Amino acid sequence: KNQVEQSPQSLIILEGKNCTLQCNYTVSPFSNLRWYKQDTGRGPVSLTIMTFSENTKSNGRYTATLDADTKQSSLHITASQLSDSASYICVVSAGNNRKLIWGLGTSLAVNP
Amino acid sequence: NAGVTQTPKFRILKIGQSMTLQCTQDMNHNYMYWYRQDPGMGLKLIYYSVGAGITDKGEVPNGYNVSRSTTEDFPLRLELAAPSQTSVYFCASSNDRIRANEKLFFGSGTQLSVL
Repeated sequence: KNQVEQSPQSLIILEGKNCTLQCNYTVSPFSNLRWYKQDTGRGPVSLTIMTFSENTKSNGRYTATLDADTKQSSLHITASQLSDSASYICVVSAGNNRKLIWGLGTSLAVNP
Repeated sequence: NAGVTQTPKFRILKIGQSMTLQCTQDMNHNYMYWYRQDPGMGLKLIYYSVGAGITDKGEVPNGYNVSRSTTEDFPLRLELAAPSQTSVYFCASSNDRIRANEKLFFGSGTQLSVL
């Protein structure tokens, strides 16, 4: 069964600190992996998209990694800001029809 | 630029009522999607459209209908609202199929409660 699991479920950090969010997937055949940021009361916003051959991708203070062998991805946030408080969702695209398998997200709170 | 616009933002329905969730995009995207997001669950695809006049079912289409008469608009219709349809609904669009680097652009969502 295609699944995307994220950890931790929630995380609280202090402003300025770094953090890493994890995503494990059992999706086959794999097409690409995406990270989205979802602010409370808003729709998801794309952060990164990685294909099988890419193992690192950055978007400002966000850096995503992908290990296609172990089927793991991480999202590293550097020098966190209050505006980083949001849910971060890992999404894996599967198969030739590119079906999207959504994770449940990690809820991040950045406190001053 | 507006992107994907959804209305209304909030709505309360009684069981058995009907309503239409509106979605419009100004990016000239061919592909449009409706998702629902329930607490503790990942987003689920309800319906999608690959262009004007063409729609297809997603994972959870029961209880919903869609139409795509123009490139810009993709309304979602609930005919007989049920408590199980209480959810947050998101409309999204993309320029093409979900290929390697094809981004999805989401609206702000409609929070629907059926009581």
